[in-house]
Amino acid sequence: AAGVIQSPRHLIKEKRETATLKCYPIPRHDTVYWYQQGPGQDPQFLISFYEKMQSDKGSIPDRFSAQQFSDYHSELNMSSLELGDSALYFCASSSMGAGVGTDTQYFGPGTRLTVL
Amino acid sequence: AQSVAQPEDQVNVAEGNPLTVKCTYSVSGNPYLFWYVQYPNRGLQFLLKYITGDNLVKGSYGFEAEFNKSQTSFHLKKPSALVSDSALYFCAVRDIYQGGKLIFGQGTELSVKP
Repeated sequence: AAGVIQSPRHLIKEKRETATLKCYPIPRHDTVYWYQQGPGQDPQFLISFYEKMQSDKGSIPDRFSAQQFSDYHSELNMSSLELGDSALYFCASSSMGAGVGTDTQYFGPGTRLTVL
Repeated sequence: AQSVAQPEDQVNVAEGNPLTVKCTYSVSGNPYLFWYVQYPNRGLQFLLKYITGDNLVKGSYGFEAEFNKSQTSFHLKKPSALVSDSALYFCAVRDIYQGGKLIFGQGTELSVKP
């Protein structure tokens, strides 16, 4: 079965640089979530989109922005990178048709961002 | 506010023995609860969920979880542990009031020894 695709899998950047992370949801999934997992931490919600509209926003720095495109893929843009942004970034997708809460979020393999 | 807690950072089990990974929740309204497993350098894999219905939920890889409303718990169980079950396990609750994001517990490292 098709899974969530994230690219790149690994990314190394310098401080103050920018990064773009991409997420391709499972086909026919209409909702995308972004999570950040620091070393030894649980995943923390960043932002979500339903049908290309932002549906919720968590502890996402103003330096970060995201959008969902017409083909439902999503991109997380990160500017002025800081050392503390080094983390594993997960994208998850779901089909909201059954109603909020009952659908299952399926996670991609993650993008490991290292900021030097 | 919705939250879950996993009281054990690590659980050690011998192969073939039953395992339990504990999770308690605090929610307003009905809880939508999930278990995920994370292998090293991998994404989170969905194991099972409780939305409504039977308190005993069966999931992938022989795992099951018991929903207990009076104890506000949702413990993950498996009758016979395998070495390959060694991984990081996360309990999560769905925030249905704000877009449906998952709120995770701090994770429990399961180690199954031969």
